Amino acid sequence: EIVLTQSPATLSLSPGDRATLSCRASQSVSSSLAWFQQRPGQAPSLLIYDASTRATGIPARFSGSGSGTDFTLTINNLEPEDFAVYFCQQRYFWPRTFGQGTRVEIK
Amino acid sequence: QVQLQESGPGLVKPSETLSLTCSVSGVSISSYYWSWIRQFPGMRLEWLGYIHDNGNNNYNPSLNSRVSMSVDTSKNQFSLRLTSVTAADTAMYYCARDSSSRGNDYWGQGILVTVSS
Repeated sequence: EIVLTQSPATLSLSPGDRATLSCRASQSVSSSLAWFQQRPGQAPSLLIYDASTRATGIPARFSGSGSGTDFTLTINNLEPEDFAVYFCQQRYFWPRTFGQGTRVEIK
Repeated sequence: QVQLQESGPGLVKPSETLSLTCSVSGVSISSYYWSWIRQFPGMRLEWLGYIHDNGNNNYNPSLNSRVSMSVDTSKNQFSLRLTSVTAADTAMYYCARDSSSRGNDYWGQGILVTVSS
């Protein structure tokens, strides 16, 4: 199965900073990569699909890029509600797999 | 507005069968695929599989044929069945819509299932 490796495990930043999260696939998944945000006590919610398309209602400060094996989620001007855990997921191969998550915490 | 809600027992004994149901509102269940995803203590997410009411399904082979899913269009619900559970199956179980274009775009709030005697 496809292994997705996210880095870093934890990102310590301040409100207003830029967050750059990485997701690397063990083989090419084309652009079939999604990003999810999970706040404490909540289910994951879709942020980005097809590597770079924002889901409905997602603010423009969230952007995704990449294709093949290397993907990036960028969050500009971090808001207090953005401090959460972020997961990537590939849906190019069966079974679908997730990365282990990156926690964005307040510095 | 699309909403999903998981239901079922929160405690299952080892070797028994875990059965969960997801009730869907705001959309016809026949229009989409529907997924089950679980999250272990420690955060790791595992996609269990998906199903459509046309009979198409795809299950995670890591579950070694212990998993099955079904759809009840009359109730707008779909279900998960996981047999021969062990403590390693203790997790938060989520149901989610599986859109062909957007993937898992709507999720339930999750239900914690503990496997213990």
